[in-house]
Amino acid sequence: GENVEQHPSTLSVQEGDSAVIKCTYSDSASNYFPWYKQELGKGPQLIIDIRSNVGEKKDQRIAVTLNKTAKHFSLHITETQPEDSAVYFCAAANTGNQFYFGTGTSLTVIP
Amino acid sequence: SQTIHQWPATLVQPVGSPLSLECTVEGTSNPNLYWYRQAAGRGLQLLFYSVGIGQISSEVPQNLSASRPQDRQFILSSKKLLLSDSGFYLCAWSLGVGNQPQHFGDGTRLSIL
Repeated sequence: GENVEQHPSTLSVQEGDSAVIKCTYSDSASNYFPWYKQELGKGPQLIIDIRSNVGEKKDQRIAVTLNKTAKHFSLHITETQPEDSAVYFCAAANTGNQFYFGTGTSLTVIP
Repeated sequence: SQTIHQWPATLVQPVGSPLSLECTVEGTSNPNLYWYRQAAGRGLQLLFYSVGIGQISSEVPQNLSASRPQDRQFILSSKKLLLSDSGFYLCAWSLGVGNQPQHFGDGTRLSIL
């Protein structure tokens, strides 16, 4: 089955700096890669996703890049703000729509 | 727009007691439905998913079961809870066609004493 690894597990950045979270996957059949943000006591919320026919996608301060050959994808947050502090999860899915999640990155943005 | 509701938000149960967690989705028809468990400091583990009424697939053999009595209702149950059943339980839905985002409820924090 699919195996998704996520790094780092914790990340602290100064407000205004950029944050990068990286994930690798093992199954070349995976073709959909969502990213979720989870605040304390809440369920994960989708923040951005990318499909395997696209190499990069941006939404304001958030971007995701995908390298299918190397089987890795990354989340980039620019101009970080304190409200970006949360746990971020990556996931990989194939056509069966079963998601395989990474173990999460706890991001702290220091004011 | 679509919304997902889970209840209760928190639950404290003694070992050996039964469990029933409910999840309902509004604003869509024939969604795929999912139950996940999230252990502290770890990712999300898929427990069950359903593509239609009465259709349940189990990913992890364990002390829990799931049922889908109605199109937009998904129930997680146990006859006798174990200490190891403690955790954060999340319900999610997605559209049933192709690769689609999964949308999560706010979860139930279950503590077994």
